[in-house]
Amino acid sequence: ETGVTQTPRHLVMGMTNKKSLKCEQHLGHNAMYWYKQSAKKPLELMFVYNFKEQTENNSVPSRFSPECPNSSHLFLHLHTLQPEDSALYLCASSQDNKARVAKNIQYFGAGTRLSVL
Amino acid sequence: GEDVEQSLFLSVREGDSSVINCTYTDSSSTYLYWYKQEPGAGLQLLTYIFSNMDMKQDQRLTVLLNKKDKHLSLRIADTQTGDSAIYFCAASSGGYQKVTFGTGTKLQVIP
Repeated sequence: ETGVTQTPRHLVMGMTNKKSLKCEQHLGHNAMYWYKQSAKKPLELMFVYNFKEQTENNSVPSRFSPECPNSSHLFLHLHTLQPEDSALYLCASSQDNKARVAKNIQYFGAGTRLSVL
Repeated sequence: GEDVEQSLFLSVREGDSSVINCTYTDSSSTYLYWYKQEPGAGLQLLTYIFSNMDMKQDQRLTVLLNKKDKHLSLRIADTQTGDSAIYFCAASSGGYQKVTFGTGTKLQVIP
């Protein structure tokens, strides 16, 4: 079983739909992340959770709503998305994002390829 | 905030060496990373270097760090077709080691 699992792998939705992306990690980590990957752009950090608390929201529009019920699960709730939100959404986890000087090695899931029509 | 830049594309012949370059802006970056993304997969850590080092070698991979110029490179010796992928440079800085990624460099290996 892979360390970080994302479902679904592919999602097509209309602009009026509501859907959720799911991420689960089996690595015993305490920090989880959502990233957006678009062609020819740097990987964009969206949200960070540490020990279930949101510690970063990188000016993400409110049509994206994260939820972290426990350290192993992370959701991204989507509603009234725009076509420009079509991208690969990656989830990652790391051991602990609170240590001040430590290598922050992140483990990534395979992503959800989202198409907004 | 930190910016990490890298070229978008590199093409090499099988058996040659590949060199992927990256620049970053925050001189206080503590760790620098190289991740690899194969088609249909997430990013996977290849190697990393601490900022007090200038070189790290791991089998076919050599990482060079020039702190003065804020330049990082990844050299892959004897490049194989299986090395074809997107390579992301990343740097961590700040109190909680925030990691900033570049655009990724797509490496194409020609048989």
